[in-house]
Amino acid sequence: DTAVSQTPKYLVTQMGNDKSIKCEQNLGHDTMYWYKQDSKKFLKIMFSYNNKELIINETVPNRFSPKSPDKAHLNLHINSLELGDSAVYFCASSLLRGSAETQYFGPGTRLLVL
Amino acid sequence: AQSVSQHNHHVILSEAASLELGCNYSYGGTVNLFWYVQYPGQHLQLLLKYFSGDPLVKGIKGFEAEFLKSKFSFNLRKPSVQWSDTAEYFCAGAAGNMLTFGGGTRLMVKP
Repeated sequence: DTAVSQTPKYLVTQMGNDKSIKCEQNLGHDTMYWYKQDSKKFLKIMFSYNNKELIINETVPNRFSPKSPDKAHLNLHINSLELGDSAVYFCASSLLRGSAETQYFGPGTRLLVL
Repeated sequence: AQSVSQHNHHVILSEAASLELGCNYSYGGTVNLFWYVQYPGQHLQLLLKYFSGDPLVKGIKGFEAEFLKSKFSFNLRKPSVQWSDTAEYFCAGAAGNMLTFGGGTRLMVKP
């Protein structure tokens, strides 16, 4: 059973397009996250939602818009894709919000913008 | 500002060698510290975490880490590595709701 799943696994698209990545967790967790891992493997938080409420919104272009229809899902929509958006995007979840919580990561979505 | 740094970007070891990966953090108050591992082509998995109590934390697969408050460090250790430990290792610190990752250390274990 996959705890945190993401679709698609791979996404290749042209500059200027709009795309969405979906994330679902079946762990019953309250908090979900999106991270971006660049080509040098550096991981950075983008957004976090707790029970459908946005609680972390790091310095991310407003072309990126997260949406949480319910606490088990956190989707990421990206408008007007740019070359620099090429990265691996990881979704994660934790039982509760808070610094002591372990985050469980999805398999990642490899986005390549041409 | 909160930050986590890992000084070793690439480490190459032979099987059975001992491992120590450095991690330093910079936080103003209480901090919780984690080590995650990312095997080739896979997602991040938790190796171990520290949030209070015994500063020597034992994790999965024979890994351990020691929280040294005086040195702002949380180094990862394993007495004898195996080829299957080849992976990227990330130290992370959490304060509030934010998890901040270090730059990662790529470990290659030669058989």
